[in-house]
Amino acid sequence: AQKVTQAQTEISVVEKEDVTLDCVYETRDTTYYLFWYKQPPSGELVFLIRRNSFDEQNEISGRYSWNFQKSTSSFNFTITASQVVDSAVYFCALSERETSGSRLTFGEGTQLTVNP
Amino acid sequence: EAQVTQNPRYLITVTGKKLTVTCSQNMNHEYMSWYRQDPGLGLRQIYYSMNVEVTDKGDVPEGYKVSRKEKRNFPLILESPSPNQTSLYFCASSSKTSGVGTDTQYFGPGTRLTVL
Repeated sequence: AQKVTQAQTEISVVEKEDVTLDCVYETRDTTYYLFWYKQPPSGELVFLIRRNSFDEQNEISGRYSWNFQKSTSSFNFTITASQVVDSAVYFCALSERETSGSRLTFGEGTQLTVNP
Repeated sequence: EAQVTQNPRYLITVTGKKLTVTCSQNMNHEYMSWYRQDPGLGLRQIYYSMNVEVTDKGDVPEGYKVSRKEKRNFPLILESPSPNQTSLYFCASSSKTSGVGTDTQYFGPGTRLTVL
């Protein structure tokens, strides 16, 4: 069975600090997909990134970067020079090949608060 | 604009009074899903559908029904709501692709349901 763990329930930082959100996953499938979603205070879920299991290249998008390490089953998310607008709940999620597109398993979420 | 819509956005009801939450997508997606979000538990899948007339249980299907009579619509039905179904509900859709099927799920704005 697939499982996603986000051990950090809440993180509080001061603006301009770098912050890393941890995500550890479990799956028996050799092909799977990892996601990060952002849920701002307004409540909607915003897709941030999708990563395939066969692509271990790290990715950078502006102040956001993702570190995918199959050896440790982790897919961590770093925000560089955090801003108040980054305050949100962040979810890591996993889908396996056979059920991709139809089933997502989410972690518990990490509440990030960026203080001015 | 490509989107997933849900109605109503907010609903307060009483125990046992049947209700339906509608979900519609305009992207011609094959896959649709319902999730509930509860504090500390992340999002958990209730039901999903891989195409018209094809539905299956997710992780927490008890107390819910769904139907998929048209490709664009995927209503969630609570025949006899109970207080433990008080939650934030999200509908999602994604496209089926050939090969391994890797598509990202896009979420509606959420429906906050309170059952008294």
